Amino acid sequence: AQSVAQPEDQVNVAEGNPLTVKCTYSVSGNPYLFWYVQYPNRGLQFLLKYITGDNLVKGSYGFEAEFNKSQTSFHLKKPSALVSDSALYFCAVRGTGGGNKLTFGTGTQLKVEL
Amino acid sequence: NAGVTQTPKFRILKIGQSMTLQCTQDMNHNYMYWYRQDPGMGLKLIYYSVGAGITDKGEVPNGYNVSRSTTEDFPLRLELAAPSQTSVYFCASSGDFTAEAFFGQGTRLTVV
Repeated sequence: AQSVAQPEDQVNVAEGNPLTVKCTYSVSGNPYLFWYVQYPNRGLQFLLKYITGDNLVKGSYGFEAEFNKSQTSFHLKKPSALVSDSALYFCAVRGTGGGNKLTFGTGTQLKVEL
Repeated sequence: NAGVTQTPKFRILKIGQSMTLQCTQDMNHNYMYWYRQDPGMGLKLIYYSVGAGITDKGEVPNGYNVSRSTTEDFPLRLELAAPSQTSVYFCASSGDFTAEAFFGQGTRLTVV
């Protein structure tokens, strides 16, 4: 069975500072990894994905994520946070089982303050 | 581009009533999914489909049913609504050549 852990319910950061939202995963075989963002009363928006290749992947709105196979982690990062980045962030994994099903973490609320 | 469209956006049901949440996608995706989102719990997979005529249970299927008669549509049926089904429901789809899933805007359901 595949699983995702997001150890922090909330991350607070000052605007202009770098941010990191943590994610670790468990899956059989090579993982497909994703980050999604959810703004209040909205659906999930895709940010970025790792399938294969370079361990550092770049996505929308200046976000990037680093895949670390030995630590089974896929942390989301941004060099300089904006107040508008405040939202709920979900990490997800897709394993090699049928149906291309995504398993999500419990989410991390990011709060960026002035 | 419409993407994934869900209706209704909001609904209040009485205990024991039934309803169908509609989901349609215009991206010709074979894979479709229904998730529910509860506070602090992330998203849980209810049912999924790998193509028209094929459906399968996810992690939390009890109390729900689905059908997939066309590629575009994947309705979710709630029979005998219970307070435990109060949640936000998301439909999503993905294609054979797209790893990521695309989500609808959600249906907020309250059972009272």
